[in-house]
Amino acid sequence: SAVISQKPSRDICQRGTSLTIQCQVDSQVTMMFWYRQQPGQSLTLIATANQGSEATYESGFVIDKFPISRPNLTFSTLTVSNMSPEDSSIYLCSVEGGVDSQETQYFGPGTRLLVL
Amino acid sequence: TQLLEQSPQFLSIQEGENLTVYCNSSSVFSSLQWYRQEPGEGPVLLVTVVTGGEVKKLKRLTFQFGDARKDSSLHITAAQPGDTGLYLCAGAEDYKLSFGAGTTVTVRA
Repeated sequence: SAVISQKPSRDICQRGTSLTIQCQVDSQVTMMFWYRQQPGQSLTLIATANQGSEATYESGFVIDKFPISRPNLTFSTLTVSNMSPEDSSIYLCSVEGGVDSQETQYFGPGTRLLVL
Repeated sequence: TQLLEQSPQFLSIQEGENLTVYCNSSSVFSSLQWYRQEPGEGPVLLVTVVTGGEVKKLKRLTFQFGDARKDSSLHITAAQPGDTGLYLCAGAEDYKLSFGAGTTVTVRA
């Protein structure tokens, strides 16, 4: 399985500011995903990020609020823009397991965000 | 978005007891995955099941995928405190995962 790291691991931010979260993988992967896990909740997919194309956002998530970059096959960023306390969550990136992976995904450790 | 329902929401048992967590949906998935998440960490993959009726065993954990590929169960035999965590099932379709709400399992020593 891939080894995934995220930066920062946690942050406390003021409302109205933006935070960019980085996701680094130790091998090249085609598909990367960004999820949000609100306090005490399960995971919700924000968007799918494939290298060389625009990210695909799920219902309820828009590019202006959560811009995503995917400059190469091992790296992606998610920006949480114009933050409000409702954005306080854990943000997780994941990668697909590769050929014959049966759609398995492997997750990073998450970024814990608190917006005041 | 396809909905997955997990039950129970919380489970607290004594060390050595058995437990079962259920994951049900009205939709068919191409595969279903089980993860365990501990506080402060990301979900860790336990198993992927693909074939209807499939049973997979991972030490004391037994995973079953329903014949119609709509439901699954996770059974832990002789639970240990190290099994404590949030258990999540996730159904896959076109590489997108839909997660259940999770089952918080606490195993008391």
